[in-house]
Amino acid sequence: AQKVTQAQTEISVVEKEDVTLDCVYETRDTTYYLFWYKQPPSGELVFLIRRNSFDEQNEISGRYSWNFQKSTSSFNFTITASQVVDSAVYFCALRTNNNDMRFGAGTRLTVKP
Amino acid sequence: NAGVTQTPKFQVLKTGQSMTLQCAQDMNHEYMSWYRQDPGMGLRLIHYSVGAGITDQGEVPNGYNVSRSTTEDFPLRLLSAAPSQTSVYFCASSYRWTENQRNTIYFGEGSWLTVV
Repeated sequence: AQKVTQAQTEISVVEKEDVTLDCVYETRDTTYYLFWYKQPPSGELVFLIRRNSFDEQNEISGRYSWNFQKSTSSFNFTITASQVVDSAVYFCALRTNNNDMRFGAGTRLTVKP
Repeated sequence: NAGVTQTPKFQVLKTGQSMTLQCAQDMNHEYMSWYRQDPGMGLRLIHYSVGAGITDQGEVPNGYNVSRSTTEDFPLRLLSAAPSQTSVYFCASSYRWTENQRNTIYFGEGSWLTVV
């Protein structure tokens, strides 16, 4: 069975601090995709990144970076120099080839000015 | 370039009423799905479809029906609404799974449903 765990329910930081959101996943499939989505207060889900199981290269996009480690089944997300506009709920998700997509419970990030 | 469109955005129902949440996509995606989002539980898959005429159950299918008569539309029906179905509902679509690319799932803006 697939499972995604986001152990951090809520995180609060002050603007310009770095923050890492943790994601641990479980699957028996060898081929899968991992995702991060952002849900701002307005409610829509915004796609941030997709990673497939064969690509363990870390990725940096502006202030965002992702660390994918198959050895620990983790796909962590770091925001550098956080800003108030980063305040949102962030979801990690796992998709396998049975077209099932499982989400973590989400981490609510609050960035204070 | 509409993407995934859900209607209505907000709805209040009385216990026992029925209603249909509409979902349409214009990206020719084979895969469509419905999720519900409850506090502290992330998004849970209700039903999904991998093409017209094909539907399957997800994690939490009870109390909901779906059909997929066209590639574009995937309505979600609540047959007899219960307070436990108060939630935010998201429709999503994507290309069918392949090992190469295009496994990104696109979400609608959500439908807020309250059952009283």
